[in-house]
Formats: sequence, structure tokens, C-alpha cells
Amino acid sequence: ETGVTQTPRHLVMGMTNKKSLKCEQHLGHNAMYWYKQSAKKPLELMFVYSLEERVENNSVPSRFSPECPNSSHLFLHLHTLQPEDSALYLCASSQVPRGGADTQYFGPGTRLTVL
Amino acid sequence: GQNIDQPTEMTATEGAIVQINCTYQTSGFNGLFWYQQHAGEAPTFLSYNVLDGLEEKGRFSSFLSRSKGYSYLLLKELQMKDSASYLCASTDSNYQLIWGAGTKLIIKP
Repeated sequence: ETGVTQTPRHLVMGMTNKKSLKCEQHLGHNAMYWYKQSAKKPLELMFVYSLEERVENNSVPSRFSPECPNSSHLFLHLHTLQPEDSALYLCASSQVPRGGADTQYFGPGTRLTVL
Repeated sequence: GQNIDQPTEMTATEGAIVQINCTYQTSGFNGLFWYQQHAGEAPTFLSYNVLDGLEEKGRFSSFLSRSKGYSYLLLKELQMKDSASYLCASTDSNYQLIWGAGTKLIIKP
């Protein structure tokens, strides 16, 4: 059983809807990530929170808005999305080390379809 | 720039051996990860190499050559459950992951 859970697993929304994706990690980690995964493309890092502070925002459109209320929970708020935003959205967590790369542990993802 | 290349798809036979290659160009390289992702599931960690050489974990081994910017994942005694995508990711100077597009491995009986 994964230590990172995501809800919902599937979401269909219209371009005018507002919805939120939720991620929860049970691993005691202090960093959380949102990725977008499209078919046959590399994982795209969207947001990183380390110690509950956002440290990376890779020019993601403002229609995606992250929220990290504590080190165990991460949300991605969605509004006025476009059909090209349809993808698998993956959440991951890691333990930020004192030097060295950190292994990221992923949730099962939310399959998002924008009509 | 930052770049990761790996084959899009490979096919192998159950019981055989397959090698999935990954080449990278990453400034401030700090190691390379391999992940496995079954269709519709989360990517799961397989290996991390930061020093040159081969690291073995059961049926799976991972190799790194820093001077060549090259890694491979070796899968032995292939089983049908090994059918999955295999993701290569390098780590840059800020320890951020640079991902490849993944290699879809198809195992045939």
C-alpha cells in the first residue's frame, strides 16, 4: 500500500468548473510535489513545497493554484482549465536531505479530463 | 541544456534479459534514478546511482558511467509482471529531477 494517497482518482470537468485535487502523505516527509504526466512526454514538475514553503513554480499557468496547509497535505486547485490540461496529475513526497538527492515517492495520480 | 534520452518502446521475451539505456546531459549532475510505472499506477522507485559502476538488486541491476553520461537498467529472468514503463531521471545541481519520457517494455510469452 502506497504511503501517498490522491483523490479523486478520476475527474471529468468542464472548462468553467472549479475543482481541487488532494494529496496526503503518510511517510513523515517534508517536501511535496505536483507533476503533470502526458502521454509519451516526460514528467513535468509543476510545484514543489519544501518545509511547507513553495520553492519552485515552473511557469505554470495561473489556472493551477497549489496549497500546502501542512507537511502532510497538498492540494491543487483548478479553475477555467483548457482541454490540453487533460493529463495524469501525480503527487510525490520526499525527505529533503542534508545534501544528496532525495528519493521521491508517488501517489497513484488523478486522471483529469477537461471537456 | 538539460536532456534525457531513452527508447520509447522495447519488446522482450519472458525469461530473457533486457537492457534499457538512458543518456543524459545534466549540468551539476548529482545522480540518476530509475522508476517503474505500471499502467494506471504510481511510479515506484527502483534504483539510484551516483557513483560509476553496477549496482545489483535481485533481478534488476543499474549501471552508471558519469564520464559518458550514460546509464542502463538491466532486467534478468523477465516475468510478465515486468511489463511496464521505465522512467530514467537525472538530478541536477539543485537536486531537481530531470525526467526522460519513459521506455514502455512489452514482455511476450
